[in-house]
Amino acid sequence: KAGVTQTPRYLIKTRGQQVTLSCSPISGHRSVSWYQQTPGQGLQFLFEYFSETQRNKGNFPGRFSGRQFSNSRSEMNVSTLELGDSALYLCASRLGVDTEAFFGQGTRLTVV
Amino acid sequence: KNEVEQSPQNLTAQEGEFITINCSYSVGISALHWLQQHPGGGIVSLFMLSSGKKKHGRLIATINIQEKHSSLHITASHPRDSAVYICSLIQGAQKLVFGQGTRLTINP
Repeated sequence: KAGVTQTPRYLIKTRGQQVTLSCSPISGHRSVSWYQQTPGQGLQFLFEYFSETQRNKGNFPGRFSGRQFSNSRSEMNVSTLELGDSALYLCASRLGVDTEAFFGQGTRLTVV
Repeated sequence: KNEVEQSPQNLTAQEGEFITINCSYSVGISALHWLQQHPGGGIVSLFMLSSGKKKHGRLIATINIQEKHSSLHITASHPRDSAVYICSLIQGAQKLVFGQGTRLTINP
């Protein structure tokens, strides 16, 4: 079956703009979580959605938001982009609680 | 103090060597993930374990819940094992906490 698909793979944006990233989970997986990876901070948890509800949120400013649709696809939005938002954004899907996470290839965002 | 600490941060070895990467944590967890990340960013889940030991091919993962410690071992290491290995804690409600990763380089 198809894996986790993230689009786009690469993105260049200007400071102050906003961006929307997309994640399609493995079919049947209802949990989607998002992570930011930077060289300095490593992998950090952004938020997690299950059945269209945000269940958990990391320590990121309100400029970072997300949502999940009824087909479990998820989007992440970052508004008023800052240079420090340049990172690899990864999403992972799971079948349920305490089950294995499957990661997408990530979206590499560069803010200039 | 970080909730999860990995060691070593960098490891270089020769092909064929036995590799051990350690992960120590200070919080209660429901499970622990070992992840592998190759250059280019893609992350692959190697193991998820909550007790004991798991083996897959040349990879072995162990966890000691009482000591809050897990290890990832690679037997007969190969250059294709070169990657960053990340330990991740699962703390209920799907929250993940990540170690800083161990960069492994296997030279031929």
